[in-house]
Amino acid sequence: SQTIHQWPATLVQPVGSPLSLECTVEGTSNPNLYWYRQAAGRGLQLLFYSVGIGQISSEVPQNLSASRPQDRQFILSSKKLLLSDSGFYLCAWSAEGQDAGEQYFGPGTRLTVT
Amino acid sequence: GQNIDQPTEMTATEGAIVQINCTYQTSGFNGLFWYQQHAGEAPTFLSYNVLDGLEEKGRFSSFLSRSKGYSYLLLKELQMKDSASYLCAAMDSNYQLIWGAGTKLIIKP
Repeated sequence: SQTIHQWPATLVQPVGSPLSLECTVEGTSNPNLYWYRQAAGRGLQLLFYSVGIGQISSEVPQNLSASRPQDRQFILSSKKLLLSDSGFYLCAWSAEGQDAGEQYFGPGTRLTVT
Repeated sequence: GQNIDQPTEMTATEGAIVQINCTYQTSGFNGLFWYQQHAGEAPTFLSYNVLDGLEEKGRFSSFLSRSKGYSYLLLKELQMKDSASYLCAAMDSNYQLIWGAGTKLIIKP
């Protein structure tokens, strides 16, 4: 069976500090991978998605970047955090094509920028 | 543009039935998805409709009308554990999900 790991669970970082969130998937090959952010009480905002190693699509211009160094590893980074980067960050995977709508999420990282 | 509309919040009574509506406008259409999200947790997939009609899965059913750009999620025999946000998402022609803001469902005893 497939599992998705995401860490850390919570993070408190000062403004201007760097960020690295990691997500790994087990039990599947060549998944689509996604990074979402969710502000308190709001819907999901797609930040990045990837259909393969080194292939990253950015949905929203911002202070963040993503990389996919291995097939089942997806990393979200920032060089300098802003207060507005606070939120609930979720990594997800799916199969491709029509099956991309059935997404499986990691447990999330709650980031507070102070 | 692409848009998903669903009510912000609904309240229902334990044991009752509730219907959560969703309307969508997308560039092309490849299916309508419902997710459940408990407070502080990640969303989990509930259902998928691509053809018109009703899909039943236990206490949960989902309906789609492609001509009307409309879907609903029907929850029967409500339990306290059904208190959660329900997210509607439509897949566009590029196989990208367009997400609604979610409907917070409050269940009262």
